[in-house]
Order: sequence, then C-alpha cells, then structure tokens
Amino acid sequence: NAGVTQTPKFQVLKTGQSMTLQCAQDMNHEYMSWYRQDPGMGLRLIHYSVGAGITDQGEVPNGYNVSRSTTEDFPLRLLSAAPSQTSVYFCASSRGGVGTEAFFGQGTRLTVV
Amino acid sequence: AQTVTQSQPEMSVQEAETVTLSCTYDTSESNYYLFWYKQPPSRQMILVIRQEAYKQQNATENRFSVNFQKAAKSFSLKISDSQLGDTAMYFCAFMKPRGSQGNLIFGKGTKLSVKP
Repeated sequence: NAGVTQTPKFQVLKTGQSMTLQCAQDMNHEYMSWYRQDPGMGLRLIHYSVGAGITDQGEVPNGYNVSRSTTEDFPLRLLSAAPSQTSVYFCASSRGGVGTEAFFGQGTRLTVV
Repeated sequence: AQTVTQSQPEMSVQEAETVTLSCTYDTSESNYYLFWYKQPPSRQMILVIRQEAYKQQNATENRFSVNFQKAAKSFSLKISDSQLGDTAMYFCAFMKPRGSQGNLIFGKGTKLSVKP
C-alpha cells in the first residue's frame, strides 16, 4: 500500500529555473493539498483540490501553480524558482468529509540557489 | 482567522517519564477538529491523535492522551512512559468542519527529545 508518493525527495534548482513536484495517491481520495514547511513556521497551505478539475489557493500560493486532471495526481509547478522557495514540500490527501485524517507524503526538500 | 500557537519550541524528557506539550488556538467556530501530528527525523507526518470539539471526553491513543479545554481553547498532548522513538517534532493542527475542504492550520511545532 503506497499511500501518498512524492517525487523527487531532494532537488536543487538555480534561480529562475522551473520544475514540477509530483504527487500521487492510490487511496482514491478526493481531497489533495500541498504544504510547505519552513524552519520555525510549521506547515502552511499552498494550494488544494477537492476533486479532479477543481483547485484553489491556500495561504501562500504565489509562485506556484497546480492542476488536477485525475483523482490520483496533483503536481505542483514552480514557474521561476526563487531562493524564498527553498523549503520542504509536503503533499497530503484525505477522503474528505468532516474531520478526516490527512495522509502525507514523505516530502521533497527543495533548495534554490 | 484561526491561529494555532505552540509556545514550547523545544522540550526534553527522560525515557519512561511523562511529558506534556502545550497548544492553544483561536477560533470563533463552535465545532471543529484538533489534531496532533508527529514528525520524526524521517520527515514523515504521522497522525498521533484527533479530537472533535463537540466531544467532551478527552481522546486517548495508547500512551498518548489529550487535555482538551474548550473554554480555554487549549489542547495539550500528554505522552506517558516516553520512549526513544517518541523523539520528533510535534505539530498541533486545527480543522474547521465546513468550508475548509479539510485544510489544516498548523502550529509552529515543538521539538521533543527523549533521553536515555
């Protein structure tokens, strides 16, 4: 049972480069989200999706794009990486509904130089 | 807007002893959910315990229990018989039952070290 799978686990980018962080879940969850974790800041919501074709912004969406073409996949795109986007990124999924548990991937550590 | 505050950036405890991690939150909602997540050095986020605000009984999961004080907006986590494997970051999180699509609001975390 894979759960939530994120790739890559580590990435170094140069300022201005673009890349996509991949997230896939095999639990048929409707709800998926992306968080970033910075030292001393906890996790903050970037974007989320309540189902295929539906996405919305979270607390810190600037510099990131998302799309949800299938239930399983929810990629996060950095269009032009900046040093301020150096962080650990987590993808999460849940079946939705009141108070349901969020399952997290193992995170991607991204460094922008 | 909801906020979650964890006032203890770091704590340590001796193996087999009990430790309590603090969490306070601010909300105008009457019903909501509160969670404690554990993040060990592996970076994996693991749900420890969950509490629904309408339930007066404090949640318990084996060695982990909460002290939920709704009026005080306090949600502390007690770890009994601490084990070396409990060494981790612990995050308190808040979820509205409706209109939030399951989004979590996290505190900044408490780093717990269990010493042998």
